[in-house]
Amino acid sequence: EDKVVQSPLSLVVHEGDTVTLNCSYEVTNFRSLLWYKQEKKAPTFLFMLTSSGIEKKSGRLSSILDKKELFSILNITATQTGDSAIYLCAVTNAGGTSYGKLTFGQGTILTVHP
Amino acid sequence: ETGVTQTPRHLVMGMTNKKSLKCEQHLGHNAMYWYKQSAKKPLELMFVYSLEERVENNSVPSRFSPECPNSSHLFLHLHTLQPEDSALYLCASSHDRVSPLHFGNGTRLTVT
Repeated sequence: EDKVVQSPLSLVVHEGDTVTLNCSYEVTNFRSLLWYKQEKKAPTFLFMLTSSGIEKKSGRLSSILDKKELFSILNITATQTGDSAIYLCAVTNAGGTSYGKLTFGQGTILTVHP
Repeated sequence: ETGVTQTPRHLVMGMTNKKSLKCEQHLGHNAMYWYKQSAKKPLELMFVYSLEERVENNSVPSRFSPECPNSSHLFLHLHTLQPEDSALYLCASSHDRVSPLHFGNGTRLTVT
């Protein structure tokens, strides 16, 4: 059974701090790893990673995948209060019956104080 | 606006009621999904519909019944639910099996 574990489960920082969120996984026939941000309701897509060692970057957010060690990190620099959210990590399985199926981790709750 | 619209936003129902959740996607995607998000638990996939055919149902109890009349609309029919079914029900869509999912804002369901 595919499994995703995120750490820490929660994190409280102050504006301007840099944070690193961790995601480790076990999946048969790995296809991709995705990061989502969930503020109030809808998880919004951040990154999709398929290759090791290639950093994806969007503004202050960046992410990288290590397929050998089976983990990914999400970095947020110069955090702002608007970064407060639940950050979800998910993996997809390339198996024939798993059309678009994502296995999610339990999420990291990030709180950024002014 | 996420391109995936869910109604209602909130729903309170008794254990003997029958209700339906609705999802509509305006993205031209070919697959739609129902996920359940319970407190302190990871998002759980309930159903996948691809090109109007059900692909997986992940052994969801029969009190949840999906319907996908076309590639833009998805329903989740609910009957004789249990209090532990209270959760946020998220609809999502994707272009194909490898593209990221786009989620709706969800329906917050409370079963009394």
